[in-house]
Amino acid sequence: EVQLLESGGGLARPGGSLRLSCATSGFTFRDYAMSWVRQAPGKGLEWISVISGSGGSTSYADSVKGRFIISRDKFKNSLYLQMNSLRAEDTAVYYCAKEVVTSSGVSAMDSWGQGTLVTVSS
Amino acid sequence: DIQMIQSPSSLSASVGGRVSITCRASQSISNYLNWYQQKPGKAPNLLISAASSLQRGVPSRFSGGGSGTDFTLTINSLQPEDFAVYYCQQGFNTPFTFGQGTKLEI
Repeated sequence: EVQLLESGGGLARPGGSLRLSCATSGFTFRDYAMSWVRQAPGKGLEWISVISGSGGSTSYADSVKGRFIISRDKFKNSLYLQMNSLRAEDTAVYYCAKEVVTSSGVSAMDSWGQGTLVTVSS
Repeated sequence: DIQMIQSPSSLSASVGGRVSITCRASQSISNYLNWYQQKPGKAPNLLISAASSLQRGVPSRFSGGGSGTDFTLTINSLQPEDFAVYYCQQGFNTPFTFGQGTKLEI
């Protein structure tokens, strides 16, 4: 059974930093790209970053580019999100998700963690 | 960036009824379109990938269609557990943008 478990959320000050972790199990971690998606309170889903299975390729939403860094550790089967220069608008539940590529080549997020809440406030 | 617009933003329906949700992309995305269901306090759940491929375990009353810029999620014979928020998401280019969501209410 695929399991994703986020941790590291909490209260941060504006301009501060947090590091989120996503521990995974139940699949061959190195074979799958992984994403972070967030959801501000009462709002919709916002994709923020993806990293390839090898870790060699990353992409970010403009809203976090230059402030957040996605990474992965193949030995720990874990995904990370280093969040720097935090802003009030970064307040959200952050989900990690496993990307699957369908037979037609379309990538989709087929497994999700339960989410971790990040609150940025003074 | 590719913009995804869903309509309607909310709709009401009855158990046993049928609804359709539309998702329009700001440029052609071929069939690189996924649908997710999210219930309150829960993570999203992938329903349909590649516009029309039902995920394993998802009831057959869910179906998806479309290609290019216009896509539809249809739910037949609505069940109480189907009342949730539905999101489309394009997987054509990063950023992998979501639609704003459609809230399906009883």
